[in-house]
Amino acid sequence: GAVVSQHPSRVICKSGTSVKIECRSLDFQATTMFWYRQFPKQSLMLMATSNEGSKATYEQGVEKDKFLINHASLTLSTLTVTSAHPEDSSFYICSAKPLQGSEQYFGPGTRLTVT
Amino acid sequence: GQQVMQIPQYQHVQEGEDFTTYCNSSTTLSNIQWYKQRPGGHPVFLIQLVKSGEVKKQKRLTFQFGEAKKNSSLHITATQTTDVGTYFCADPKTSYDKVIFGPGTSLSVIP
Repeated sequence: GAVVSQHPSRVICKSGTSVKIECRSLDFQATTMFWYRQFPKQSLMLMATSNEGSKATYEQGVEKDKFLINHASLTLSTLTVTSAHPEDSSFYICSAKPLQGSEQYFGPGTRLTVT
Repeated sequence: GQQVMQIPQYQHVQEGEDFTTYCNSSTTLSNIQWYKQRPGGHPVFLIQLVKSGEVKKQKRLTFQFGEAKKNSSLHITATQTTDVGTYFCADPKTSYDKVIFGPGTSLSVIP
C-alpha cells in the first residue's frame, strides 16, 4: 500500500511553454501533498505544501505565479511550471501524507528538461 | 533560521566496512526522520525517532536520537552494495505539517 504516482516521469519542453505534473495517491487519501525540487547531487528542497480544497502554502523564494499548484481532490495534486526556462530544469518530486500518521510517501519524480 | 546539517557529505567504503552518518540541528527537534534515496530513485522513509536517547534497529541499520534531541545518527554495519544511495535526515515539522530535509550523505560501497 501507500503508493504515490507521478506523471509524466520525464518531460522535455521548449523555453516559454508550460508543463503540468500530476501527483496521485493511489491507495490512500491525502489532505496534504508536498512538492519538492532536487538538483543533481543536492537535497530535496520543499517548494510548497498543497492542501486539498485550499490555496497552497509556498516556501520563501518560490514564485507562486510561476509554480501553480492545484489540489482538487484527496488523491490528486498538480504542479504547473509556467513559462518554463532552462533554469527550471530539475527533478520534481511530490509526496503525500495520509490522513493518519506522520510518514510521507514519495512519488517517483518527474525529470523536467527545458531547452 | 533553523538548520539541519549532515556529515559527511560523501563516504566511500569497502564492502563489509561500517558506515555512519551524523545529523545535527541548530534547534531542538520534536522528532527526526531518516530517508534513503537510491541513485535515480525517490526518497524512501526508513524510520522516525521520537524520544530523547532513543535507539532503533532495522537489521544492519542502527538509528540513534541524541539526548538533547538536536542530533541523530545512522550506523550501517557491514555495508553491502545494496546500501548504496543518499541518506537524508529530516525534520518533520508537525506543527507546520511539512518535512525539511538535511543535505544528505551519499554512500558509495566498493565491492
